[in-house]
Amino acid sequence: NAGVMQNPRHLVRRRGQEARLRCSPMKGHSHVYWYRQLPEEGLKFMVYLQKENIIDESGMPKERFSAEFPKEGPSILRIQQVVRGDSAAYFCASSRLAGDTVYEQYFGPGTRLTVT
Amino acid sequence: DAKTTQPPSMDCAEGRAANLPCNHSTISGNEYVYWYRQIHSQGPQYIIHGLKNNETNEMASLIITEDRKSSTLILPHATLRDTAVYYCIVRPPSGGQNFVFGPGTRLSVLP
Repeated sequence: NAGVMQNPRHLVRRRGQEARLRCSPMKGHSHVYWYRQLPEEGLKFMVYLQKENIIDESGMPKERFSAEFPKEGPSILRIQQVVRGDSAAYFCASSRLAGDTVYEQYFGPGTRLTVT
Repeated sequence: DAKTTQPPSMDCAEGRAANLPCNHSTISGNEYVYWYRQIHSQGPQYIIHGLKNNETNEMASLIITEDRKSSTLILPHATLRDTAVYYCIVRPPSGGQNFVFGPGTRLSVLP
């Protein structure tokens, strides 16, 4: 059973360009979470999605950042007009749901975004 | 803010047991204790979780005090590959709850 997959693993963008980060959850998982880790800092929650729904985006910057998890295909984290401060590792996690219980999250290897 | 406190760093000799403490004095009755680790710059790796009973799996053991205000993660025979930052997190099981990562404990396993 393949784990959480993220691509690309490394992404370099110039200031002002767009960055698109993809996350394919583990098979059978219907919940996706995005976290950001700035250099030498801890992981910070950004957004939580189920298929076609954003459940919690309390950690997302108000501008330039958006996320989606369509009915078909991977979850996408999109950063428009990137700035140097967006340089970070972006991790995706997925979990399954049974009844009202959301189980432990499994993390992908991350996408390292560098803005030049 | 994280609801847990952990020592910032610990050392452990290779082959010995590593005991990582975590305080969660404000834990609620339905909140689980989760442990993750992050090796270098990799994605966090799930280790174990528990509610009130002690738990053991192939990676580690989790000992939760009777009052649930603290817990200890035990790596029974630490190896160099266990060098990582270990995170203790409390979270309810209901949907929509993300993990709040604190600074964790940086465990260094020494040869």
